[in-house]
Amino acid sequence: EVQVVESGGDLVKTGGSLRLSCAASGFTVSNAWMNWVRQAPGKGLEWVGRIKSKNDGGTADYAAPVKGRFTISRDDSKNTLYLQMDSLKIEDTAVYYCSGGSPGDVWGQGTTVTVSS
Amino acid sequence: EIVLTQSPGTLSLSPGERATLSCRASQSVTSSYFAWYQQKPGQAPRLLIYNTSSRATGIPDRFSGTGSGTDFTLTISRLEPEDFAVYYCHHYGTSPRTFGQGTKVEIK
Repeated sequence: EVQVVESGGDLVKTGGSLRLSCAASGFTVSNAWMNWVRQAPGKGLEWVGRIKSKNDGGTADYAAPVKGRFTISRDDSKNTLYLQMDSLKIEDTAVYYCSGGSPGDVWGQGTTVTVSS
Repeated sequence: EIVLTQSPGTLSLSPGERATLSCRASQSVTSSYFAWYQQKPGQAPRLLIYNTSSRATGIPDRFSGTGSGTDFTLTISRLEPEDFAVYYCHHYGTSPRTFGQGTKVEIK
């Protein structure tokens, strides 16, 4: 079965860091375009960033609100995608989803990040 | 950044009725890179339509997408009880990718 499972969400103070993980099964993360999307409480979907497949160069792009603070990476040996989040702000509070594909057609259940002062 | 504006914000309809959801882009979008998602409370989004008009795997044919340039439409031909949800348009061509703010389809 093709699926992704996010983990790593937590309560963290402003200015802190957190690393989210997205473990994939049924497909190879390095061969797929992968995305991070977030949803603040009661709000709509917000694209966070994506990383291209290794064959397509493997580069990552980010939304303006997170550029310079968030980093997307992969561990091919673990078939896992990561989102490193630094200098966290209150407005980063959200459910974070990982999705595979372009557009994303394999989604996890999300992991909750809460940033407090 | 391409801003996607969805209308209406809320659509109140009865089961069996036709739903027409609109999404307007602030600049022209390549049709190959336009999608629609459905999201129900407490669930992850589900891909319905990609490449403007192609249905994702397992999506019933009552869902259809059309459009080009800056104007795109999702049509649900006859609403089933399970179709009441929030729908988002999404462009996935150039970065940054963006989503519309969503249209809620509620039971009248």
